[in-house]
Amino acid sequence: GAGVSQSPSNKVTEKGKDVELRCDPISGHTALYWYRQSLGQGLEFLIYFQGNSAPDKSGLPSDRFSAERTGGSVSTLTIQRTQQEDSAVYLCASSLRAGILGADTQYFGPGTRLTVL
Amino acid sequence: SQQGEEDPQALSIQEGENATMNCSYKTSINNLQWYRQNSGRGLVHLILIRSNEREKHSGRLRVTLDTSKKSSSLLITASRAADTASYFCATADRSGSARQLTFGSGTQLTVLP
Repeated sequence: GAGVSQSPSNKVTEKGKDVELRCDPISGHTALYWYRQSLGQGLEFLIYFQGNSAPDKSGLPSDRFSAERTGGSVSTLTIQRTQQEDSAVYLCASSLRAGILGADTQYFGPGTRLTVL
Repeated sequence: SQQGEEDPQALSIQEGENATMNCSYKTSINNLQWYRQNSGRGLVHLILIRSNEREKHSGRLRVTLDTSKKSSSLLITASRAADTASYFCATADRSGSARQLTFGSGTQLTVLP
């Protein structure tokens, strides 16, 4: 597709359940980012992938959060044993190449709205 | 923690007026970007200004950057109702160790018809 896509668009789950959120980046983009946005707040960085390098996981809030990127393309963000404070919009972005001037503009997907009851 | 902080948090103007939003940051940056977000969903990249640039234009948008004051402003001229959205600044760290953008908490702009 032409842009970053995410699925599902909305996810309602019960506290304690695991959820998986998917991101399909723009074809050819080597960098992929996950952010979280709580209601009325700015974006909180979670994790970043660049090519085959080890991901930067410095933003993950707890060990219940993990992400992988298979084949350098699709990424899955997994939240285990969800808590109510995990409720937020999870945004994925990709860029041609991170940290390189002119190639680091991030293009965002529409997000997944997660509600933990 | 969020580095970029937008000011004001909310702004309401009449259609046709200009809207100015400000952003302050704390560390040395490689570049600063402005994004727009409608209805709490995906962000759209508006404009990027590099640390060695002072002003940049794109259509009705004008961005300034003052690295000595660690601040930037976004001016939207001749605003339209469709400009109603949240606007975020985001900084790319100069150190190179952080590849992600650091976003501020945003300015909610409402343009009244």
